[in-house]
Amino acid sequence: NAGVMQNPRHLVRRRGQEARLRCSPMKGHSHVYWYRQLPEEGLKFMVYLQKENIIDESGMPKERFSAEFPKEGPSILRIQQVVRGDSAAYFCASSLAENSNQPQHFGDGTRLSIL
Amino acid sequence: GESVGLHLPTLSVQEGDNSIINCAYSNSASDYFIWYKQESGKGPQFIIDIRSNMDKRQGQRVTVLLNKTVKHLSLQIAATQPGDSAVYFCAEKNYGQNFVFGPGTRLSVLP
Repeated sequence: NAGVMQNPRHLVRRRGQEARLRCSPMKGHSHVYWYRQLPEEGLKFMVYLQKENIIDESGMPKERFSAEFPKEGPSILRIQQVVRGDSAAYFCASSLAENSNQPQHFGDGTRLSIL
Repeated sequence: GESVGLHLPTLSVQEGDNSIINCAYSNSASDYFIWYKQESGKGPQFIIDIRSNMDKRQGQRVTVLLNKTVKHLSLQIAATQPGDSAVYFCAEKNYGQNFVFGPGTRLSVLP
């Protein structure tokens, strides 16, 4: 499967725990974007990364949230000390070129539930 | 017909009819637009795109129309099928900026 791969598909955490969401972009893509989606709503941009660099994190909360895209391995979205309001679907997308006018291709998301 | 649900507007069409899903975008400087289809439990799937130097583009059973004067985008689906039932999102972009997604429209295909 050469598409964007996200895991886990479902993640359950208790309040105060940490959540780690992983995203492997499409083959050949070096640009990764993370979005958050609440039920019955659209996608909200969180962060845009290239390999080893955060390009734009304007949509990501300043506290508890972090993202990385190391030289080797998947991109990770990390949420520390999760709260009920973090429950959402988190989608990752990748693209071939730098923020150009080309489609972003999405994974099937991680559904995070906070107990 | 079209109705506004709790969050998502919903469009109900009979199988075999044509569907038209509308989107008002916000940034007059946006120069690239995409329609995505999202089925339950899945990520958005690319349908068709259009650049601002065009006002119409056709794909297989789908047509996108762009009216820059009134900042309006529409997606037309010909001969709507049950498999077309999903939520449809428009996304706009200005070169060098990030995509901005619309709130979505749920398409419900009636047998």
